Amino acid sequence: EAGVAQSPRYKIIEKRQSVAFWCNPISGHATLYWYQQILGQGPKLLIQFQNNGVVDDSQLPKDRFSAERLKGVDSTLKIQPAKLEDSAVYLCASSPQPGDQETQYFGPGTRLLVL
Amino acid sequence: GNSVTQMEGPVTLSEEAFLTINCTYTATGYPSLFWYVQYPGEGLQLLLKATKADDKGSNKGFEATYRKETTSFHLEKGSVQVSDSAVYFCALGRSNTGKLIFGQGTTLQVKP
Repeated sequence: EAGVAQSPRYKIIEKRQSVAFWCNPISGHATLYWYQQILGQGPKLLIQFQNNGVVDDSQLPKDRFSAERLKGVDSTLKIQPAKLEDSAVYLCASSPQPGDQETQYFGPGTRLLVL
Repeated sequence: GNSVTQMEGPVTLSEEAFLTINCTYTATGYPSLFWYVQYPGEGLQLLLKATKADDKGSNKGFEATYRKETTSFHLEKGSVQVSDSAVYFCALGRSNTGKLIFGQGTTLQVKP
């Protein structure tokens, strides 16, 4: 079974630029999560989708971050404009059942550096 | 609010040494508790879990017991190997929301 795919793996941009990350969850997984992991910290949930609907986006900085999950499969996370403090690893995870968080499967992440 | 605190790293051990990584939590109600592991260059993987008080999770020689009285979920292994070198994350979650709250991670380095 293929795992969670993310691209790009690395991205370097200057502040105030825009950037987008892509995630392809495991086939058939209904729930998709985006996490932000700042160096030296644990992952922090940004947004959770159930199929193509948003379940929780309470930690998403909506003035600059946006995310969508078209057709309930792939998802993109966008930052516009980026700030220095957005430098982090962005992790995507998926799970097959709603609310069954112990079976979250994580992708390798996208490492973002904002200069 | 809910939170997880782990011991500071890095933890450096010799091969075959005993490992303990401390984790304590603050939460309302009865969360589930997890340990995730992140090997270099890889994504997070679930290592073990416990869903109620006094449960013991175990996998790959690692163990952790859900202690409600001390609000702890310490990770232990009797004999570590070089291949156990990774970052370990303690987390709590609730089955009704799917949301995980992670600690800051503890880096383990095992030397031959």
